[in-house]
Amino acid sequence: EVQLVQSGAEVKKPGESLKISCKGSGYSFTSYWIGWVRQMPGKGLEWMGIIYPGDSDTRYSPSFQGQVTISADKSISTAYLQWSSLKASDTAMYYCARHGSGSYALYWGQGTLVTVSS
Amino acid sequence: EIVMTQSPATLSVSPGERATLSCRASQSVSSNLAWYQQKPGQAPRLLIYGASTRATGIPARFSGSGSGTEFTLTISSLQSEDFAVYYCQQYNNWPLWTFGQGTKVEIK
Repeated sequence: EVQLVQSGAEVKKPGESLKISCKGSGYSFTSYWIGWVRQMPGKGLEWMGIIYPGDSDTRYSPSFQGQVTISADKSISTAYLQWSSLKASDTAMYYCARHGSGSYALYWGQGTLVTVSS
Repeated sequence: EIVMTQSPATLSVSPGERATLSCRASQSVSSNLAWYQQKPGQAPRLLIYGASTRATGIPARFSGSGSGTEFTLTISSLQSEDFAVYYCQQYNNWPLWTFGQGTKVEIK
């Protein structure tokens, strides 16, 4: 069974750094792209970027380029999303999602809620 | 950037009735269009990909149609568990996924 298990909720202060994770299991982790999606409170879905764990090829949405860093450690089948300096506007639910045979999001993690507040 | 526009924003439907949701792309996305369902407190779930192919385990009351710039998701007879928010997403302009803003299907 394919699973994407994300790290737990985080509460941070503005200016702090953060790295959240998404661990894949039940499939060949290095063979499928994994994307990150933001959902701000009460809002819709926004694609942030995507990584191919096999060679760490990474692409970003123009809206998020330079704001976050996406990485992966294939030795532990885990993808990451990180911030160097959080802002209150980063408060959101973040989902990881894996491609299917096509470039749609077939499998989703359960989400990680990030709250940034002073 | 391809902009996806969904209509209506909210759809009020009685159980057992048919629901028709629309999604329009600002330029052609061929058939590279997916639909997702999201219930409160849950991650999105893939319903339809390739504009019209149901994902594994999705009931036959869900159907998708369209190509190019105009797409439709139809729920033939709404069940209580179908009241949720539905998003369309284009993946033609890979790797730049774009989602619509969502249609909330609520109980009338």
